[in-house]
Amino acid sequence: EIVMTQSPATLSVSPGERATLSCRASQSVSNNLAWYQHKPGQAPRLLISGASTRATGIPARFSGSGSGTEFTLTISSLQSEDSAVYYCQQYNNWPPWTFGQGTKVEIK
Amino acid sequence: EVQLVESGGGLVKPGGSLRLSCAASGFTFGSYTMDWVRQAPGKGLEWVSSIVSTSTYIFYADSVKGRFTISRDNAKNSLFLQMNSLRAEDTAVYYCARQPLTIFGAQGFFDYWGQGALVTVSS
Repeated sequence: EIVMTQSPATLSVSPGERATLSCRASQSVSNNLAWYQHKPGQAPRLLISGASTRATGIPARFSGSGSGTEFTLTISSLQSEDSAVYYCQQYNNWPPWTFGQGTKVEIK
Repeated sequence: EVQLVESGGGLVKPGGSLRLSCAASGFTFGSYTMDWVRQAPGKGLEWVSSIVSTSTYIFYADSVKGRFTISRDNAKNSLFLQMNSLRAEDTAVYYCARQPLTIFGAQGFFDYWGQGALVTVSS
């Protein structure tokens, strides 16, 4: 099973600042990595697939990069509505499909 | 508009059973691989089970294998999760989710999710 590790656990960022979230895989997942945004009481929302391809309707301030075992989600200019927990998920080796433990983004 | 609506959650005693349903609309349900993903209180997302469009291939997480059964009714655009021998650690919000489809098949990530159904296992 591929273990996904996210850091940091919590990120506190001022509005308009950049937020950088990291995700590491225990072995290579090529570019088969997705990012999700999850707000309390809501359905998770797909942000990025293929490590760097934004999903339909996702603002350009969200970008993904990386391949192999190291990945990054960047929110270039944080907005108040970006407060959420963000998860990475690998889909290179399955089953199981595995998620990171999440990074909580807080607005300062 | 793609919609996934879960139902069937509730409070059940340890060792009991519960059946979750997910009603799908806005897309050709019978063409897509569908999954269940759960989130325990204060925890992250955990994949539970997956079923391909024809029900030919089915997968389970080790944590639920032998206790949970995933199924689907393509004629009724519905996905199900039969949960038996429930344990306290199965307490979670259960989401149904769709894997997007391309000419290469199901993609392995989840492009649409339902709002979730809360399952509480407690005496």
